[in-house]
Amino acid sequence: NAGVMQNPRHLVRRRGQEARLRCSPMKGHSHVYWYRQLPEEGLKFMVYLQKENIIDESGMPKERFSAEFPKEGPSILRIQQVVRGDSAAYFCASSPNQEWATEAFFGQGTRLTVV
Amino acid sequence: AQTVTQSQPEMSVQEAETVTLSCTYDTSESDYYLFWYKQPPSRQMILVIRQEAYKQQNATENRFSVNFQKAAKSFSLKISDSQLGDAAMYFCAYRSELRAFEGGSEKLVFGKGTKLTVNP
Repeated sequence: NAGVMQNPRHLVRRRGQEARLRCSPMKGHSHVYWYRQLPEEGLKFMVYLQKENIIDESGMPKERFSAEFPKEGPSILRIQQVVRGDSAAYFCASSPNQEWATEAFFGQGTRLTVV
Repeated sequence: AQTVTQSQPEMSVQEAETVTLSCTYDTSESDYYLFWYKQPPSRQMILVIRQEAYKQQNATENRFSVNFQKAAKSFSLKISDSQLGDAAMYFCAYRSELRAFEGGSEKLVFGKGTKLTVNP
């Protein structure tokens, strides 16, 4: 059972370009979470999605950031018109849709560098 | 809103010795989960140990154990017989017990982390 897969592992974008980060949850998991880790900081929640639904986007910046988790395919975190301050590690986590599930499994993250 | 505080930015321990990492949190909820995650240089977030707030017994996983003090809102991690492979960033995290459809939040709230160095 493969773990949470994120790609790319490293992404370099020039200011003003778009960044697309992909996350494939563990098999059988229908819940996806995105977190951002700035240098020397802990992870900060961005958004929680289930298939075709955004459940909680309270941590998402109001502009330039969007996320989706389509019926088929990976979850995508999209950052438009990137700026230097978007440079960070972005982590995806997934969990199964069962009431007793308390643990989220993390991917290895995508390190975004904006130059 | 819940907050998690790790007051030790860095800690060091001699190999084979014991070290305790501190974590305090603030919440108005009575039911929740607490976690310690390890992040080695590879950046992979690895769950070390989990504690349910309704359980009075402290969780233990091999060389890792916690001291959970609910009234004091304290959740420290003890690593016994430290090994070189334990060197990493350690993050304390909080999660509400209520699921999103119950009006809660399923997000993890993390502290800023403690960098643990293990000296040979």
